[in-house]
Amino acid sequence: KAGVTQTPRYLIKTRGQQVTLSCSPISGHRSVSWYQQTPGQGLQFLFEYFSETQRNKGNFPGRFSGRQFSNSRSEMNVSTLELGDSALYLCASTLRLGDNYGYTFGSGTRLTVV
Amino acid sequence: AQSVAQPEDQVNVAEGNPLTVKCTYSVSGNPYLFWYVQYPNRGLQFLLKYITGDNLVKGSYGFEAEFNKSQTSFHLKKPSALVSDSALYFCAVREAGSQGNLIFGKGTKLSVKP
Repeated sequence: KAGVTQTPRYLIKTRGQQVTLSCSPISGHRSVSWYQQTPGQGLQFLFEYFSETQRNKGNFPGRFSGRQFSNSRSEMNVSTLELGDSALYLCASTLRLGDNYGYTFGSGTRLTVV
Repeated sequence: AQSVAQPEDQVNVAEGNPLTVKCTYSVSGNPYLFWYVQYPNRGLQFLLKYITGDNLVKGSYGFEAEFNKSQTSFHLKKPSALVSDSALYFCAVREAGSQGNLIFGKGTKLSVKP
């Protein structure tokens, strides 16, 4: 079966712009999580969606937002980009909230803000 | 609050030698524990998990991990390291029955030299 698909793989944006990243989970998976990965901070949790509702949220400013559609696909948006937003953004899916299957990750979107 | 600690930023091992990557955790109740591996510019790949039962868990690529409740540890091990095992390894935890997100450690870089 197809894995978690993230698009685009690479993005270069200018400070002040906004960006939208997309994630298509494994078929049948209804929970989608987003993480930001940087060399200094490691993996930081952004948010988790289930059934089109945000269920968990990390400690990020309001510039970071997301949504989930009825087909479980998810998007995250970052507005007013800052240099510090440069990171690998990872999406992960699982069957449902709190299950014991663990996450399946996509390959990530590498965002560079210049 | 839940947390994961990976006390070593880097572990260096000679090919053919056994390897251990350490992980300790903190949760209020029983844990679900996971190990993931990340190769450069890729997402995280699932290696193994502990949910319940036997404390020794076997996973992909010859890796195994031992759950130790008294020491709140879940160290990753492999009897004989390969150069191709060189990667970034993440330990993660969630409290059993919780619908919270997975909490990841900061990662340990494993370097296996020929």
